[in-house]
Amino acid sequence: EVQLLESGGGLVQPGGSLRLSCVASGFSFTTYAMSWVRQAPGKGLEWVSAVTGNDDTTYYADSVKGRFTISRDNSQNTLYLQMNSLRAEDTAVYFCAKMRGLNLAAINYWGQGTLVTVSS
Amino acid sequence: DIQMTQSPSSLSASVGDRVTITCRASQAVSNYLAWYQQKPGKVPKLLIYAASTLQSGVPSRFSGSRSGTDFTLTISSLQPEDVATYYCQKYNSAPLTFGGGTEVEIK
Repeated sequence: EVQLLESGGGLVQPGGSLRLSCVASGFSFTTYAMSWVRQAPGKGLEWVSAVTGNDDTTYYADSVKGRFTISRDNSQNTLYLQMNSLRAEDTAVYFCAKMRGLNLAAINYWGQGTLVTVSS
Repeated sequence: DIQMTQSPSSLSASVGDRVTITCRASQAVSNYLAWYQQKPGKVPKLLIYAASTLQSGVPSRFSGSRSGTDFTLTISSLQPEDVATYYCQKYNSAPLTFGGGTEVEIK
């Protein structure tokens, strides 16, 4: 059974940093692209970032480029999202997501999400 | 960047009705289009990928189609458990943009 368990969310002041983690199990982590998707309270889904499963190519939404860094530790089956220079508009539930293939693909599994609140 | 425009933003239909949701891409995305269902308080669920391929376990009343840059999600006979918000997403290249969502309720 595929499981994605996020952690690391919380309350942070504007300009601060957080690192989200996602521990994956139930599938061969190295052979799938992974992604982060966020959802602000009462709003729709927003894709944030992705990393491929073969050469660790990374992709970012314009809204987070230069501030967020996605990475993966295949030895620990763990996906990360380092978030710097956080803004109020980054407040959202952040979902860790598994894609259907090695490269960019549809998302077939989602974690339960971790809430990030950026506020003073 | 390619924009994904979903319509309508909300709809109300009766049980048994045929429901159609449209997603229009501002440029070609080939068949790299997925549909997701998000029930209130739940995580999204993949319904369809590659524009028209039904994800395993998804009821056959859901179907997807493509005509050029227009994509359609159809629920052939709306059921009470289909109350949810539906999103399209393109994944041919980054950014993997979602549509704005369509909220479906029962009349």
